[in-house]
Amino acid sequence: NAGVTQTPKFQVLKTGQSMTLQCAQDMNHNSMYWYRQDPGMGLRLIYYSASEGTTDKGEVPNGYNVSRLNKREFSLRLESAAPSQTSVYFCAGMPSGTVNEQFFGPGTRLTVL
Amino acid sequence: QKEVEQDPGPLSVPEGAIVSLNCTYSNSAFQYFMWYRQYSRKGPELLMYTYSSGNKEDGRFTAQVDKSSKYISLFIRDSQPSDSATYLCAILNAGNMLTFGGGTRLMVKP
Repeated sequence: NAGVTQTPKFQVLKTGQSMTLQCAQDMNHNSMYWYRQDPGMGLRLIYYSASEGTTDKGEVPNGYNVSRLNKREFSLRLESAAPSQTSVYFCAGMPSGTVNEQFFGPGTRLTVL
Repeated sequence: QKEVEQDPGPLSVPEGAIVSLNCTYSNSAFQYFMWYRQYSRKGPELLMYTYSSGNKEDGRFTAQVDKSSKYISLFIRDSQPSDSATYLCAILNAGNMLTFGGGTRLMVKP
């Protein structure tokens, strides 16, 4: 039982490049989330998926797209990376019937030059 | 005004000290209050949560909510070097989403 996994762990991009951050969970979570974490800003919600086949915008969705491929996987795509997207990205999953107890992955550190 | 405010620290204390970590929030409608702990280069993990006002205790940790002043606290008794981490308060907002404070970095020195 690996919990929530994220790949890659680190990535360096040039401005304008695209990439997809992968997230998978084996805890049968219905809801999944993508956050970014910047110094002093806490975690800010980018997108979330309340169930397979649905996605919704969070607080900071601009410049990102997501896909809930199946119940296990929730990917985050940067179509044209910008230096402002340099951050640590966390994926989280939440089981049904809890008070929003989210389980986080280890994070992806992204630098955009 | 941010929905949740938290002093970023760092807060440095000697081993065995009592630690007090605090957050303020702006919306009096919030009901669920959570504390997450995040070790360096790791994802956050839920430490404990409280509903509405009052205290909740779990071992050396006590979470306290004062809704009249919109203030939440986490107390750590007999702090240990292994408690060194960033502590994030989080509040469940009206859309059933978590709003996080910026985190307080705690260092417990042996």
